[in-house]
Amino acid sequence: EPEVTQTPSHQVTQMGQEVILRCVPISNHLYFYWYRQILGQKVEFLVSFYNNEISEKSEIFDDQFSVERPDGSNFTLKIRSTKLEDSAMYFCASHEGGAGETQYFGPGTRLLVL
Amino acid sequence: RKEVEQDPGPFNVPEGATVAFNCTYSNSASQSFFWYRQDCRKEPKLLMSVYSSGNEDGRFTAQLNRASQYISLLIRDSKLSDSATYLCVVTRGTGGGNKLTFGTGTQLKVEL
Repeated sequence: EPEVTQTPSHQVTQMGQEVILRCVPISNHLYFYWYRQILGQKVEFLVSFYNNEISEKSEIFDDQFSVERPDGSNFTLKIRSTKLEDSAMYFCASHEGGAGETQYFGPGTRLLVL
Repeated sequence: RKEVEQDPGPFNVPEGATVAFNCTYSNSASQSFFWYRQDCRKEPKLLMSVYSSGNEDGRFTAQLNRASQYISLLIRDSKLSDSATYLCVVTRGTGGGNKLTFGTGTQLKVEL
């Protein structure tokens, strides 16, 4: 069964450093998403991406965040200058488009900012 | 008011018990409804979609009441493997491009 993959599984970084989280969505999917989950809290939407552009972003997704689909397979989330409060689990998801409803989630990247 | 509200639990039930979870949502324009399951420190996984007519998948039954903006999940004959957090999820539309809005989840612990 096709699946969404994410790398790295864990990342530890110093406050102020840049991090890039990588995702490989399911190959025929057209819509891509990033969500985050701070420990003990709910899953929160960050951004959706379609046709090589952002289609929607949340208030969390400020100027420190950016997304990119640099080639036909990868989908990345960059945090330019990490803050302590960016520590969370970051999930990538993809959706095939059309009438299908299901968003498939990757296993997540656990980011710890020290 | 939270967009999606759930009782956080935990619900501790013996194996074989029937347990019900409830969820309310605030946006009356919501179109699609789901229950996801999340195991500790893992990604959310779709358990089932929820339809106005109600739907069943094995031991799991989901109901939607649009007038009350209320969603439920019933688990019959609970198994140890059902222990997880159950997430109520809504979206504004159907199909692609619609963000998922999650509740905080209800934790279920099934015990021997």
